[in-house]
Amino acid sequence: AQTVTQSQPEMSVQEAETVTLSCTYDTSESDYYLFWYKQPPSRQMILVIRQEAYKQQNATENRFSVNFQKAAKSFSLKISDSQLGDAAMYFCAYRSSEYGNKLVFGAGTILRVKS
Amino acid sequence: DSGVTQTPKHLITATGQRVTLRCSPRSGDLSVYWYQQSLDQGLQFLIQYYNGEERAKGNILERFSAQQFPDLHSELNLSSLELGDSALYFCASSVWGGVTDTQYFGPGTRLTVL
Repeated sequence: AQTVTQSQPEMSVQEAETVTLSCTYDTSESDYYLFWYKQPPSRQMILVIRQEAYKQQNATENRFSVNFQKAAKSFSLKISDSQLGDAAMYFCAYRSSEYGNKLVFGAGTILRVKS
Repeated sequence: DSGVTQTPKHLITATGQRVTLRCSPRSGDLSVYWYQQSLDQGLQFLIQYYNGEERAKGNILERFSAQQFPDLHSELNLSSLELGDSALYFCASSVWGGVTDTQYFGPGTRLTVL
């Protein structure tokens, strides 16, 4: 079974600075997708960014980018120019290519943004 | 706004009761997923439907059941409720349920069992 590990329960960043959230996963599959979801205090799950495992190029969405290291099974999220609105719980998720393509989530990292 | 709607937003009930949570997927999406978010278990997959058929089952208790109707909305039925069933229940939808799909989440239903 696939597992996703987020080793940082909580992180803090100063407004306008850069922060990196870590995520590692365990799988024997070669075809899969990885995601970062944001959950603000409203509890809504918002997709931040996604990465296809077969693509070597790291995904980027505005101030959000990932560092995908397939061999190391690592998928970190970098947030540049942090804003107060970035404060939230961030979940790393793995999507299998097997059996229903369910999302497997990590435990989450709480990101606090200081002004 | 993801386009996925869930009702009700909040539900408070007593142990032993039965409740039904409802989800309407985004327009055009055929696949619906249910997830449970609790303090002790985190976010975990419960069940998936595709065009009315059950496609995959996760950590769903026997006291829980779900279905997807011809109009593609889905319902999650929770019965014989226990205190530990208190959680945030999310519905997500995607176009066809494949690995290339992105799942879009609804706002969730917060269930409190007293």
